[in-house]
Amino acid sequence: GAVVSQHPSWVICKSGTSVKIECRSLDFQATTMFWYRQFPKQSLMLMATSNEGSKATYEQGVEKDKFLINHASLTLSTLTVTSAHPEDSSFYICSALGTGDDIQYFGAGTRLSVL
Amino acid sequence: QQQVKQSPQSLIVQKGGISIINCAYENTAFDYFPWYQQFPGKGPALLIAIRPDVSEKKEGRFTISFNKSAKQFSLHIMDSQPGDSATYFCAASYRYNQGGKLIFGQGTELSVKP
Repeated sequence: GAVVSQHPSWVICKSGTSVKIECRSLDFQATTMFWYRQFPKQSLMLMATSNEGSKATYEQGVEKDKFLINHASLTLSTLTVTSAHPEDSSFYICSALGTGDDIQYFGAGTRLSVL
Repeated sequence: QQQVKQSPQSLIVQKGGISIINCAYENTAFDYFPWYQQFPGKGPALLIAIRPDVSEKKEGRFTISFNKSAKQFSLHIMDSQPGDSATYFCAASYRYNQGGKLIFGQGTELSVKP
């Protein structure tokens, strides 16, 4: 199956700093990538949809100035959590959708802890 | 209408038994129904998926049953093993209207006892 690599897997940062998470499709081109947030023992909550070369579409209630998404190429999307605060601590997961495909392939996730 | 309701929230099954997880949806525009398996601290992995033009799909020990008229679908895990212990999520999407955006159920934590 297709592989989606997410980096870093775990990051600890101080309150007020920014953190960048990378999501790469390793063996296929992803026209669309998605970013999710997951709290312990809860379901995945879609944050935004990013399409290569265009602005991301954010779900209702997600601050686009707080969670900056860039999808600069067909294999890379990045999520930057700006001015992180403890309430931003969560498990962030990306997924990628292949061209002409219905299957979303997920990354392994990034655990963000903001002190 | 966007919701996918999943039950039960947790499930305990003996090794060798059948695990059954159910999902229900409202929006008849959904055209793709995948099931994902997630282990703690990991991202979800696609287990099996079905489209509404078939009523059942089987892959190994995993079977999806789909009832279009009732707007329900379920996952059956035959001969459940301790290694199947994980959280399972059903989902639904409609590719052409929403670009493949998945709507997830609430998840079911499965524990298979040896």
